[in-house]
Order: sequence, then structure tokens, then C-alpha cells
Amino acid sequence: DIVMTQAPLSVSVTPGESASISCRSSKSLLHSNGITYVYWYLQKPGKSPQLLIYRMSNLASGVPDRFSGSGSETDFTLKISRVEAEDVGIYYCGQLLENPYTFGAGTKLELK
Amino acid sequence: QVTLKESGPGILQPSQTLSLTCTFSGFSLSTYGMGVGWIRQPSGKGLEWLANIWWDDDKYYNPSLKNRLTISKDTSNNQAFLKITNVDTADTATYYCATTTGFDYWGQGVMVTVSS
Repeated sequence: DIVMTQAPLSVSVTPGESASISCRSSKSLLHSNGITYVYWYLQKPGKSPQLLIYRMSNLASGVPDRFSGSGSETDFTLKISRVEAEDVGIYYCGQLLENPYTFGAGTKLELK
Repeated sequence: QVTLKESGPGILQPSQTLSLTCTFSGFSLSTYGMGVGWIRQPSGKGLEWLANIWWDDDKYYNPSLKNRLTISKDTSNNQAFLKITNVDTADTATYYCATTTGFDYWGQGVMVTVSS
């Protein structure tokens, strides 16, 4: 199975400042079609996960452009610029390249 | 507007079979490229993908549970189903269904408790 390793496990951010979350996969997520199958989700307290970024760097519908995704074949970053109160929750990276799909353990974002 | 909603028994006993239903709207499972997946989350823990079913009835299972999982669909009634046999306390979790296009739409989840 592809292991997804996130860091840090938690981050505390002052509103208005930026935050970065890292995710590393145990295997390249770059498909031969040129698409990198890493996804980012946010699970707000008491809610279902919601898609933020798909295929490494594409912003999901309705997601503020304060969120951005980048990376290589195995190392990925979610950046949140100008953090707001509504960004609080647990962020998960996931790989949808191969069976079984797997997710990182999550990064909890809190406000200072 | 895409919506999904899970339903299930709430509580069941060890060794029983868990039957879950995902009722959705805003898309059709007969449309090329569409699919529904199931993901679960034990309380306070991370996400575990279980299975996907696609428009062409192709099915994929997590090998760690494959022998216990059966996914199916009823295209006419816009539903997808998941059965898990021989449950035990480790299957206690919130179960979500989601569209397989990157899991871009999720249901609200249904809590399932396995307890004697």
C-alpha cells in the first residue's frame, strides 16, 4: 500500500498569516498520463471531509483561492494564505492513484 | 446539485452483517465516468477507503477487507450499497459515501456501532 505521511501533526496559526502542510508518499503518484493523483481534504469539526485540491494543484469548485497545492512526484504541499477562522479543522492528503486509496493521518489546524 | 445521504442500522452485534445504503441525487450512476465510493472513519481517527463502484459496474475493494465487502448499485433508484460481513468492534465508525471523481462530494455520514 502507498503510505501517505503528513507533517506537522498540528499547526497553530495567527489569523491573517499563512500556513503550509506537507505530505509525502511512499511511491510516485505521477501517472503515465502526466497527472499526479494527490488530493487534499479539510474536515471541519463535526462535518464530513470536503475536497480542497484535486490532482495536486487544481482548486476544487467553491474553494477560496487562498488555498493552493503544489509538489513533485512524492512530496506535496498545501498552502493556506491569509488563514481565517473558517479554515480550522483537520487536513488530509490522499492518493487516488492505485488500490487501495490511502490517506495521511491528518494535520490539525488551530488558531492562535 | 449533488447530494448523498447514508443510512444504516446504527448498532449491530459482532458477527452480524452490516448493510449500508447511499441515496444520492444530482448525478446518475449510469453516466460514463461516474462512481460512488465508501470511506469510513473511527471516532477521532483517520480515513479508510473501503470500496468503489463505477458506472459500468466495475468494482474495487480495499484488499485488507476484500473478503468481507460487497458493493453494489441500483441505478434506477439512485442508490449504492455496501455490505460488510462478520463485523466486530473494529468496524465501529462513521461511514461515508462519496462521488469517486476525487471524492468531491460526500454524504453527511452514518455512525455505526458494533457492540454486544
